[in-house]
Amino acid sequence: DIQMTQSPSSVSASVGDRVTITCRASQSISSRLAWYQQKPGKAPKFLISAASSFQGGVPSRFSGSGSGTDFTLTISSLQPEDFATYYCQQANSFPLTFGGGTKVEIK
Amino acid sequence: EVQLVESGGGLIQPGGSLRLSCAASGFTVSSNYMSWVRQAPGKGLECVSVIYGGGSTYYADSVKGRFTISRDNSKNTLFLQMNSLRPEDTAMYYCARTLSSGWLFFDSWGQGTLVSVSS
Repeated sequence: DIQMTQSPSSVSASVGDRVTITCRASQSISSRLAWYQQKPGKAPKFLISAASSFQGGVPSRFSGSGSGTDFTLTISSLQPEDFATYYCQQANSFPLTFGGGTKVEIK
Repeated sequence: EVQLVESGGGLIQPGGSLRLSCAASGFTVSSNYMSWVRQAPGKGLECVSVIYGGGSTYYADSVKGRFTISRDNSKNTLFLQMNSLRPEDTAMYYCARTLSSGWLFFDSWGQGTLVSVSS
């Protein structure tokens, strides 16, 4: 199985801050990685894929990058509605696996 | 507008069975890959089953032989039959539309249905 490791597990930030979340795969997954946002009590929401080739209608402040084993999700200017938990997911092979999540909290 | 509405969850004793449903609108279930993803309380996400547009299926090892994914094209509905339920199956179960092979991302999600397995 491909293990997905996210860091940090939580981050405290202020509105307007630039936030970067990283996800590392235990083996190469090409660019087959997606990012999701989940707010408390809600279903996850598809944000963006690694190379931003697939997007879930999210604001342009969200961007994804990376290939191989190392990936990043960047929020260029954090907004109040962005406080949530973010998950990465690899789609290179079964079982499809998710990272453990990164909680973005208000500073 | 794409919409997915799950139902069928509840409290069930270990060893029991439940059938989850996911009614879709705004797109055709049979023309898409569809998945069930679960989330145990306070935990992360786990994809438990996928059904391809052509009908092929995938199951996570944790549910293989106990869960069955299927669909009713006439009702545009996805199902998950869950047998021999265990306490570790307790979770919120989400159905999700899934992008095509090679890009198995979950681009639309339902609100979820809660399954609790306990005596």
